[in-house]
Amino acid sequence: DTGVSQNPRHKITKRGQNVTFRCDPISEHNRLYWYRQTLGQGPEFLTYFQNEAQLEKSRLLSDRFSAERPKGSFSTLEIQRTEQGDSAMYLCASRETGQAVEEQYFGPGTRLTVT
Amino acid sequence: RKEVEQDPGPFNVPEGATVAFNCTYSNSASQSFFWYRQDCRKEPKLLMSVYSSGNEDGRFTAQLNRASQYISLLIRDSKLSDSATYLCVVRGDSSYKLIFGSGTRLLVRP
Repeated sequence: DTGVSQNPRHKITKRGQNVTFRCDPISEHNRLYWYRQTLGQGPEFLTYFQNEAQLEKSRLLSDRFSAERPKGSFSTLEIQRTEQGDSAMYLCASRETGQAVEEQYFGPGTRLTVT
Repeated sequence: RKEVEQDPGPFNVPEGATVAFNCTYSNSASQSFFWYRQDCRKEPKLLMSVYSSGNEDGRFTAQLNRASQYISLLIRDSKLSDSATYLCVVRGDSSYKLIFGSGTRLLVRP
């Protein structure tokens, strides 16, 4: 499968614990985006990378959140000291700059439940 | 006020019906417009891009009115498989980040 993959698919954690999610984009895609989606809402932008550079972070990304893309390939999103309000689906998407069709390809998401 | 607003629905229609969804966006500088489809507990997938000239893909027709900052999607001859949430999406700047509406849920009944 050459699509965007995310791991784990589901994560249940206790409040206060740290969690880390991984995203593997489509291999030739240089841009990688993280979004968060809560029930009944559309996805909300969190941050994005061009290659290994993190170029923009949303105000939604508090100090407890950090994202990396060390070699310009896969990316990780870490949440420290999780809170119940962090419960959501975390979606990763990728695209190649200059591609003819302006589409972002989404992974299946990681569903986080904070108890 | 949200940047992209949609009627959440649900729209409950019989098979074969025609249904229309509308969406408004607040940033007049928005550059590109889309409809994404999202099935329950799945990731969003691009349904179609939306152009000022209007575009059609089979049973689906999308229209953009830049002056009114209004986007529409028309689905003709609804199928059971069209049941999903339809997300109105705009791209605002060179980051290509997407701004989503909350989605409109469609239920097509037999």
